[in-house]
Amino acid sequence: DAGITQSPRHKVTETGTPVTLRCHQTENHRYMYWYRQDPGHGLRLIHYSYGVKDTDKGEVSDGYSVSRSKTEDFLLTLESATSSQTSVYFCAISESNRGGYEQYFGPGTRLTVT
Amino acid sequence: AQRVTQPEKLLSVFKGAPVELKCNYSYSGSPELFWYVQYSRQRLQLLLRHISRESIKGFTADLNKGETSFHLKKPFAQEEDSAMYYCALRAGTYKYIFGTGTRLKVLA
Repeated sequence: DAGITQSPRHKVTETGTPVTLRCHQTENHRYMYWYRQDPGHGLRLIHYSYGVKDTDKGEVSDGYSVSRSKTEDFLLTLESATSSQTSVYFCAISESNRGGYEQYFGPGTRLTVT
Repeated sequence: AQRVTQPEKLLSVFKGAPVELKCNYSYSGSPELFWYVQYSRQRLQLLLRHISRESIKGFTADLNKGETSFHLKKPFAQEEDSAMYYCALRAGTYKYIFGTGTRLKVLA
């Protein structure tokens, strides 16, 4: 599992509240990602990080912010949660392996916004 | 445009039948392609990548640059193959593009 954990694993929150999801990795990977998974859309990239304090937007970044103050932690924040942000969120890392790059995923966080 | 297309949302086959999950891509550079599998409510797992040219759990996939395809195949489906399958393209150092996924159901 490439040493990736996510917390919380499940969360129910109300519309308008802030929510922070945490991704933690133990193997000093440089590249980290946040995706959301929705039926009919597959996985869509929210934000990614290529180092401490180095982050950039993905294709569905509106309403989300991220921070990476330490190599091992990549935080995803929903500033004011909306029902459209109900989804399963996956964190991933990317590492060089066998002549190319491979992504490995965390266990996911199921977020419900009521 | 950079894109990964999985045309089938659901594929149902009987146990022992051959399986082919389709994946087409659009990318102007040299593609690096992957298949991921997700069993019920679990994390995505890397199944195979075209660079490795390997067979994992009986699955194979060949990159066809002429047809811009990377279809996943298995000669004899097993019930435990039932899962969600995602094709992905690495399009740059940081960027990965995923298809919308195909749910494979293997019927007894």
